[in-house]
Amino acid sequence: AQKITQTQPGMFVQEKEAVTLDCTYDTSDQSYGLFWYKQPSSGEMIFLIYQGSYDEQNATEGRYSLNFQKARKSANLVISASQLGDSAMYFCAMRPGSSNTGKLIFGQGTTLQVKP
Amino acid sequence: GAVVSQHPSWVICKSGTSVKIECRSLDFQATTMFWYRQFPKQSLMLMATSNEGSKATYEQGVEKDKFLINHASLTLSTLTVTSAHPEDSSFYICSARGISFPENNEQFFGPGTRLTVL
Repeated sequence: AQKITQTQPGMFVQEKEAVTLDCTYDTSDQSYGLFWYKQPSSGEMIFLIYQGSYDEQNATEGRYSLNFQKARKSANLVISASQLGDSAMYFCAMRPGSSNTGKLIFGQGTTLQVKP
Repeated sequence: GAVVSQHPSWVICKSGTSVKIECRSLDFQATTMFWYRQFPKQSLMLMATSNEGSKATYEQGVEKDKFLINHASLTLSTLTVTSAHPEDSSFYICSARGISFPENNEQFFGPGTRLTVL
């Protein structure tokens, strides 16, 4: 079964500190893609970072990095130097390689609150 | 580039009426569009996948006759909630996938439509 699990419903972090949001996935596909999206209170989905299953290096995009541990089937998001504007809901998602439509499967989400 | 719009951004309707939501890809041709439903503080649940010119593929448990999806052109897909009831109140989000998009960002999301059924 294809599944994404985010076990942290809510997280707090102090401004300027780093925070790790957990994501584990389950798939029997050899090829797949992993995504992280940010959803602020306005509702829009903002793409943050992508990791392909065959990528040997962890993806990085500015303050965002993805800690990809393939054997453990985990794809944690690390946000460095948190800012107040990072307060939002964060979703981990997987695009199964076996899907020819490119559909995404989303985790339950983690609400991050950055404290000043 | 790669902008997806939705209209309306919010709608309030009476129980029993039908509501149509439009999803448009503004600067690219969307071969595939996806419709999601999201309840407050919850995940996005895929409702259906639509390809231009063909019937939509609905996820298990989604009523085809309740949620009519039409993908008539490469830039427009519509979701019609028929005979809406209060339990249909939700946030509906579409996303679009274009030809030759890089695999690291294949879907672009619309801003969402908040539906409230009274």
